[in-house]
Amino acid sequence: NAGVTQTPKFQVLKTGQSMTLQCAQDMNHEYMSWYRQDPGMGLRLIHYSVGAGITDQGEVPNGYNVSRSTTEDFPLRLLSAAPSQTSVYFCASSYSGTSGADTQYFGPGTRLTVL
Amino acid sequence: KNQVEQSPQSLIILEGKNCTLQCNYTVSPFSNLRWYKQDTGRGPVSLTIMTFSENTKSNGRYTATLDADTKQSSLHITASQLSDSASYICVVSYGNNRLAFGKGNQVVVIP
Repeated sequence: NAGVTQTPKFQVLKTGQSMTLQCAQDMNHEYMSWYRQDPGMGLRLIHYSVGAGITDQGEVPNGYNVSRSTTEDFPLRLLSAAPSQTSVYFCASSYSGTSGADTQYFGPGTRLTVL
Repeated sequence: KNQVEQSPQSLIILEGKNCTLQCNYTVSPFSNLRWYKQDTGRGPVSLTIMTFSENTKSNGRYTATLDADTKQSSLHITASQLSDSASYICVVSYGNNRLAFGKGNQVVVIP
């Protein structure tokens, strides 16, 4: 049981490049989400999904796209990277949404730098 | 604007001593309150989750309290260990799958 996995661990991009951050979970969780964590700020929700085929925007969705074609995978796409997207990105999953009392499991994070 | 405020921002404690971290929130409608531990360079790990009707919950040496009337929570660490050095994040769930994150309490345990 690997839990929540994220790849890559580190990435450097140039402004304007695009890329996909991968996230997968093997716990059969319906709810998955992406966060970014910046120094001096709390985690902020980018996008989330309550099940395969269903996604919704979080607090800071601009510049990011997501899709959920399977229960296991929830990739995050940066369309045209900007320096303001330099951050640490965390993927998380749980059986149900965060309104319930299910434990939310976080991945190890992807550290992204945009030059 | 929904907010979660944590205090102190950082503290240093001696190994074996106790400490208490504070979390005040203004979010509504309240669903639950979570405390996470985040080691440097790692993702957050859940410590406790409390719903409106719960006022205390323990996880080993960690004990969280919740006063939903005053919108305050605390996390007490008993007999601290070097491995307790981390950031402790208070998170309040509200509305429909919305989360408000505090900025964290940075704890450093020294021998």
